[in-house]
Amino acid sequence: QQQVKQSPQSLIVQKGGIPIINCAYENTAFDYFPWYQQFPGKGPALLIAIRPDVSEKKEGRFTISFNKSAKQFSLHIMDSQPGDSATYFCAAARSGSARQLTFGSGTQLTVLP
Amino acid sequence: DADVTQTPRNRITKTGKRIMLECSQTKGHDRMYWYRQDPGLGLRLIYYSFDVKDINKGEISDGYSVSRQAQAKFSLSLESAIPNQTALYFCATSDPDRAEQFFGPGTRLTVL
Repeated sequence: QQQVKQSPQSLIVQKGGIPIINCAYENTAFDYFPWYQQFPGKGPALLIAIRPDVSEKKEGRFTISFNKSAKQFSLHIMDSQPGDSATYFCAAARSGSARQLTFGSGTQLTVLP
Repeated sequence: DADVTQTPRNRITKTGKRIMLECSQTKGHDRMYWYRQDPGLGLRLIYYSFDVKDINKGEISDGYSVSRQAQAKFSLSLESAIPNQTALYFCATSDPDRAEQFFGPGTRLTVL
């Protein structure tokens, strides 16, 4: 049972474009929503995260938009660069001692020069 | 210097062989995790450990076992490897007070 659904599976944009990656979750107990970025040959690394008490969070060129009623959140990359080419994973977790992350299936982003 | 290291980085083995993947960390974190990554499936949790005496099964623990030898070391074993265990395996750590997980560079395992 996939609790976090991510789309699209792959995405190609031109430099300067604004790729958008979407995720939807089912478990309303989730209250922590991070995005991880993974470069080839590397492990994932935390990019940005949001909690459901806010609808948007920006860090540099990266923005998370969060819609609690729709149980959806998305990652926007402003002014995308070839160096942003990577695989992006959304995830969700709930507070408590476990804090297990449930990951989406990943999006492979390619930013063309 | 890498904070989370995994050995080996690549391994090819045959069906039925016993395999151990090792993870070491210098971050001082109590919590450690093992995930596998498959194309189109994302990362799935195999086992996690909150301290040396606390080990828990994750979403896909069948066919795997783990050992937490010390706070800094967490190993994953495949007792009798099978081809559908071919995947990228990642170790991760976290601090109990924070949600962020720190991943190692991964081990690419191929079971023939």
